[in-house]
Amino acid sequence: DQQVKQNSPSLSVQEGRISILNCDYTNSMFDYFLWYKKYPAEGPTFLISISSIKDKNEDGRFTVFLNKSAKHLSLHIVPSQPGDSAVYFCAASAAANFGNEKLTFGTGTRLTIIP
Amino acid sequence: KAGVTQTPRYLIKTRGQQVTLSCSPISGHRSVSWYQQTPGQGLQFLFEYFSETQRNKGNFPGRFSGRQFSNSRSEMNVSTLELGDSALYLCASSLDSGRPTGELFFGEGSRLTVL
Repeated sequence: DQQVKQNSPSLSVQEGRISILNCDYTNSMFDYFLWYKKYPAEGPTFLISISSIKDKNEDGRFTVFLNKSAKHLSLHIVPSQPGDSAVYFCAASAAANFGNEKLTFGTGTRLTIIP
Repeated sequence: KAGVTQTPRYLIKTRGQQVTLSCSPISGHRSVSWYQQTPGQGLQFLFEYFSETQRNKGNFPGRFSGRQFSNSRSEMNVSTLELGDSALYLCASSLDSGRPTGELFFGEGSRLTVL
């Protein structure tokens, strides 16, 4: 039962354009969402997060949008740069895990930025 | 500040054997989590330890076990290895200030191949 879904295994975007990565979730208990970025032969690194009390969070070129009614979140990267080429994982956490750092991850989207 | 260190980085085992993987968290981090990454499955939560106690456990068989030592270092063990256990095993640490943030710091992983 995949509670966090990333339906696009891969995405190619021209350098300088906007990259939009999507994520859907099914568990209504999730109230904290994160994006992680992973380069080959490295562990995932935290990118940006959003709490369910917000619908948008920005950090430089990265913006995460949350639509609770649709159980959908997206990551926007503007402008896209070659160094953004990586696998992006969406992850979610529930208040029930308070004090427990358990994340439920999606299967990842491989983003390729074309120079 | 040193990052999360995992050893060994690569190992090859045969079916039926057992394996022990080690993880040293970032200094001061008290929570250590383990994840299994396989193609198409994303990152699957194995278990999380805090102060030498397992706080949370994922849906893996009892062949997968772990422990945490008083210095927060952690080990995970897989007994009676199966071909399907071939994966990248990722360890992550977090500060755990009592408020869940989901911001985990991952090691580079231990790549296990079962023949």
